[in-house]
Amino acid sequence: TAGITQAPTSQILAAGRSMTLRCTQDMRHNAMYWYRQDLGLGLRLIHYSNTAGTTGKGEVPDGYSVSRANTDDFPLTLASAVPSQTSVYFCASSDQDRGPGGELFFGEGSRLTVL
Amino acid sequence: GDSVTQMEGPVTLSEEAFLTINCTYTATGYPSLFWYVQYPGEGLQLLLKATKADDKGSNKGFEATYRKETTSFHLEKGSVQVSDSAVYFCALSGRTGGFKTIFGAGTRLFVKA
Repeated sequence: TAGITQAPTSQILAAGRSMTLRCTQDMRHNAMYWYRQDLGLGLRLIHYSNTAGTTGKGEVPDGYSVSRANTDDFPLTLASAVPSQTSVYFCASSDQDRGPGGELFFGEGSRLTVL
Repeated sequence: GDSVTQMEGPVTLSEEAFLTINCTYTATGYPSLFWYVQYPGEGLQLLLKATKADDKGSNKGFEATYRKETTSFHLEKGSVQVSDSAVYFCALSGRTGGFKTIFGAGTRLFVKA
């Protein structure tokens, strides 16, 4: 089973350019998330979506936007990349119905370097 | 707001040694607590979880007990293997955070043969 698929796996991007990281899930989970992972900081939530058609801001949303047109896809867009956005980005999903205890399922990550 | 604090790494152990990775949390109410593991080059995957006080989560020889009185969820394993080398993340999900999952900084474990 595929689970969560992220693309690209790795990308080098010039500062000021735009970039969309793709995320697709085949588990029909209602909730999806984008995290960034930085050494010593763990994972920080960028944006989330509790259900198709809705999105929300996480801990570090500035410089990023998301959309959730359907259940399966949750792309993350950097409109004008800056070097501080160099990170590993993880997409995740869960079957949360607004209750605790929901397991997150992660993709394998997208490593982005902004020069 | 809610937060998770875990011991800094890296932790280096010899095979068959006892492992403890400390984790404490700050949250209102009774969050669910998790340990996730990240093997090299992969995404995170759930290792174990506990959803109420005094619950013990266990998986693959790892255990952690939800201690409300000390707001802790320490990860333990009696005898580690080289294959346990990974980064371990403590996490919580609670009502005050809208049930979004909050992660600690991660602890890298190296196990030597």
